[in-house]
Amino acid sequence: AQSVTQPDIHITVSEGASLELRCNYSYGATPYLFWYVQSPGQGLQLLLKYFSGDTLVQGIKGFEAEFKRSQSSFNLRKPSVHWSDAAEYFCAVGLSGNTPLVFGKGTRLSVIA
Amino acid sequence: DGGITQSPKYLFRKEGQNVTLSCEQNLNHDAMYWYRQDPGQGLRLIYYSQIVNDFQKGDIAEGYSVSREKKESFPLTVTSAQKNPTAFYLCASSIPRGTQYFGPGTRLTVL
Repeated sequence: AQSVTQPDIHITVSEGASLELRCNYSYGATPYLFWYVQSPGQGLQLLLKYFSGDTLVQGIKGFEAEFKRSQSSFNLRKPSVHWSDAAEYFCAVGLSGNTPLVFGKGTRLSVIA
Repeated sequence: DGGITQSPKYLFRKEGQNVTLSCEQNLNHDAMYWYRQDPGQGLRLIYYSQIVNDFQKGDIAEGYSVSREKKESFPLTVTSAQKNPTAFYLCASSIPRGTQYFGPGTRLTVL
């Protein structure tokens, strides 16, 4: 079955430190990939997406992600975290057409001074 | 502005009541989706619709019903058969192979 794994339930980083959130998927074909962010009580906002081409994808708010086919991974990175980045982050995977995305369970990011 | 609206933002239900959550989009998207979110569970798919007058069950459809009479609207009814409906409900829409865009959500609480 198709699945998306976010191994880290909760991560705490210091403001200004670098960040990497992990995402692994299990699909037979190359999927298209997304990272979303959710603030408490809000909907999900798209950070970035990968469909094809350059495997390093730039997103909003200074985030980037790298697709590694050999590792079935799509990890999210940010070189310097701001306190406003504290939120929940979801990785999602899709296959084709309008089939629904499959979401990971999310990683909650806390930022400390 | 284009986007997805959900109403109400907060909804309270008594035991045995049916309630309907509204979702409207003006993005001209063909597909629409309903998700349920519980703490630590991520997003679980309830129903989705790829075209008007057609919809498919997701992973947790029991106790829920939907309709898709207009392209812009995809209301979700939480029936009395849903035994644990307290959750955060998210609606989304997309074009084929496109990004899913999400509404702001409705928080449903059973009293």
